[in-house]
Amino acid sequence: GAGVSQSPRYKVAKRGQDVALRCDPISGHVSLFWYQQALGQGPEFLTYFQNEAQLDKSGLPSDRFFAERPEGSVSTLKIQRTQQEDSAVYLCASSSYRGQVEGYTFGSGTRLTVV
Amino acid sequence: AQSVTQPDIHITVSEGASLELRCNYSYGATPYLFWYVQSPGQGLQLLLKYFSGDTLVQGIKGFEAEFKRSQSSFNLRKPSVHWSDAAEYFCAVGLPRDSGGGADGLTFGKGTHLIIQP
Repeated sequence: GAGVSQSPRYKVAKRGQDVALRCDPISGHVSLFWYQQALGQGPEFLTYFQNEAQLDKSGLPSDRFFAERPEGSVSTLKIQRTQQEDSAVYLCASSSYRGQVEGYTFGSGTRLTVV
Repeated sequence: AQSVTQPDIHITVSEGASLELRCNYSYGATPYLFWYVQSPGQGLQLLLKYFSGDTLVQGIKGFEAEFKRSQSSFNLRKPSVHWSDAAEYFCAVGLPRDSGGGADGLTFGKGTHLIIQP
C-alpha cells in the first residue's frame, strides 16, 4: 500500500485479556519495527524484523510480548495477559534496506487502553 | 548506549516568530540524526535527516537543522512558524551500520510540545 497501515486504531482491553495488533508495511519494505509510546513520552524500540527474521527483540518489556512476521510482510504484535502499564500507543514503522539513511515510515499507531 | 535529550518539554511561540528546538545526543561517534513531527492521533512524519556532508540540512515544511559535532547537537529551526506547526517534535538518533551496534532501531528523545500563539 501507499503507507504503513495499523489496525485497530483503538483497542480497549480488560486487564488479563490477550490482544493482537496488526501492522501492514509498505509493499517491498524489508525492515519492520515496533515501538511503544507511553503518554507524554517518545517512542521506545520494541523489536525489529528483516523480512521474516526477528533480528532484535531486546526492547520487548516482558515475555508477555510476542511479535511475528511469518511471511515477511504483515506483522502482528501480541500481548498476553495485559496489564495497566501496557497502556500506550504502539507504532509500527517500515523501511527499505537502507532505512538508516532514508528514514522510516511510521503508521498512525494503535492506542491500547487496559482497564 | 546512545541517548537523546530534548531539554524543552513545552515551547510557546507567536505565529510568525522564529523557532528553535534543541536536541543533544550522547554517543561515541556521529550517529544518524532525524527530526520527526507528530500531530495528535497521528504517526510520526519525517521532517529531515542528517548522516554526512553539509551540516545544515533542509527539510519539509520550511524546517532546517544544523549538526554541530563539538556540541553534540542537532537543533531544529524555522524562520517563521505557522499555526499548523503546532505539534509534538521528536529528535532521534540511529546507529550507522558499521558501528557494531545492535538493531537499526531509532532512539528518540522525549519530545517537545510546540504551542503556537495567535
